Amino acid sequence: KQEVTQIPAALSVPEGENLVLNCSFTDSAIYNLQWFRQDPGKGLTSLLLIQSSQREQTSGRLNASLDKSSGRSTLYIAASQPGDSATYLCAVKVGTNAGKSTFGDGTTLTVKP
Amino acid sequence: GAVVSQHPSWVICKSGTSVKIECRSLDFQATTMFWYRQFPKQSLMLMATSNEGSKATYEQGVEKDKFLINHASLTLSTLTVTSAHPEDSSFYICSARGRGAQNTEAFFGQGTRLTVV
Repeated sequence: KQEVTQIPAALSVPEGENLVLNCSFTDSAIYNLQWFRQDPGKGLTSLLLIQSSQREQTSGRLNASLDKSSGRSTLYIAASQPGDSATYLCAVKVGTNAGKSTFGDGTTLTVKP
Repeated sequence: GAVVSQHPSWVICKSGTSVKIECRSLDFQATTMFWYRQFPKQSLMLMATSNEGSKATYEQGVEKDKFLINHASLTLSTLTVTSAHPEDSSFYICSARGRGAQNTEAFFGQGTRLTVV
């Protein structure tokens, strides 16, 4: 059974800092890994999707890396802004495209102005 | 990206009544839809997977007679919480994935906050 762990559970940083969120998973036979953002009481917004054959993906100030052998992914946020405050979730899909995703508990980020 | 719309955004119902939540893919055909439940400060837990025109596949521990899922068309899936109880109060989120082997990304709705009183 795939288990997904996100560390830290919560993080508070001053505006402008670069930061790293961590996601680890137990089953390395993944199909893809996805990072999401969730604002309080809202649904999910997909940030980055990394296929199992890829090492990283970048979008603007966000960079996500994937190391399947060690069962880890990191989400790097550069020059953080107060608008980045949200809960960040990683989800790992195993097997095939039809496989289900297992979510971590998320990291709640607060960026202080 | 593609748009998935959930309705309603929030609902309050009395214990013992049934509530229906709709999930629509607005600009693509969703061959597969997923229903998740999220309790406060917890991760999303998959409840069931439904493919258009066939019965939903429920995850272990999810009562299929309590959480009725219908995926009758390529743009609409519904989740009905029957005989709701306060412990069913939660945030319910759907996601939808389109047709094609390259379509690996599922798009999420904005969620429905259910409160049973």
